[in-house]
Amino acid sequence: AQTVTQSQPEMSVQEAETVTLSCTYDTSESDYYLFWYKQPPSRQMILVIRQEAYKQQNATENRFSVNFQKAAKSFSLKISDSQLGDAAMYFCAYIGNTDKLIFGTGTRLQVFP
Amino acid sequence: GAVVSQHPSRVICKSGTSVKIECRSLDFQATTMFWYRQFPKQSLMLMATSNEGSKATYEQGVEKDKFLINHASLTLSTLTVTSAHPEDSSFYICSASTTNRGRTEAFFGQGTRLTVV
Repeated sequence: AQTVTQSQPEMSVQEAETVTLSCTYDTSESDYYLFWYKQPPSRQMILVIRQEAYKQQNATENRFSVNFQKAAKSFSLKISDSQLGDAAMYFCAYIGNTDKLIFGTGTRLQVFP
Repeated sequence: GAVVSQHPSRVICKSGTSVKIECRSLDFQATTMFWYRQFPKQSLMLMATSNEGSKATYEQGVEKDKFLINHASLTLSTLTVTSAHPEDSSFYICSASTTNRGRTEAFFGQGTRLTVV
């Protein structure tokens, strides 16, 4: 079975600084997708960034980028120029052949002014 | 992006009653929808996979007689919490996956906060 692990329950960063959230996963599948979701206090799940496993190039969305290391099964999220609105729970997630979205345990990000 | 609407956003019910939560895909057809439960400060736990026109597939440990799932159409799945008890109080979220041009993505409803008193 696939698993997703986030080893950082909480992280903090100062406004305008950069922070990296870690995620590792375990799978025997070769074709899958990885995601980072943000869950603000409203609890609405918001897609931050996605990565197709077959693509070697790391995905980037404005201030958000990933470091995808397929061999190491690592998928970290880098947030540059952090803003107060980035404070939220961040979940790493995996979709494989079953179409089930499997979540990590989450990382609570605090942003200090 | 695609929109998934979940209703109600919040419900308070008496112990022993049943509560129905609706999940609709507004601008795409979802042959499969997923129901999650989230406890405070925890991750989303998959409860069941809802398949249009067939029985739902429940994850291990989830009581199918307690959490009734119906997926009557390609745009609507419902979760009914039967004979609710205070321990059923939680945040329930639905999602639907769609694949467009080879890109698979999941879209989430707004969630339902259930409080059983």
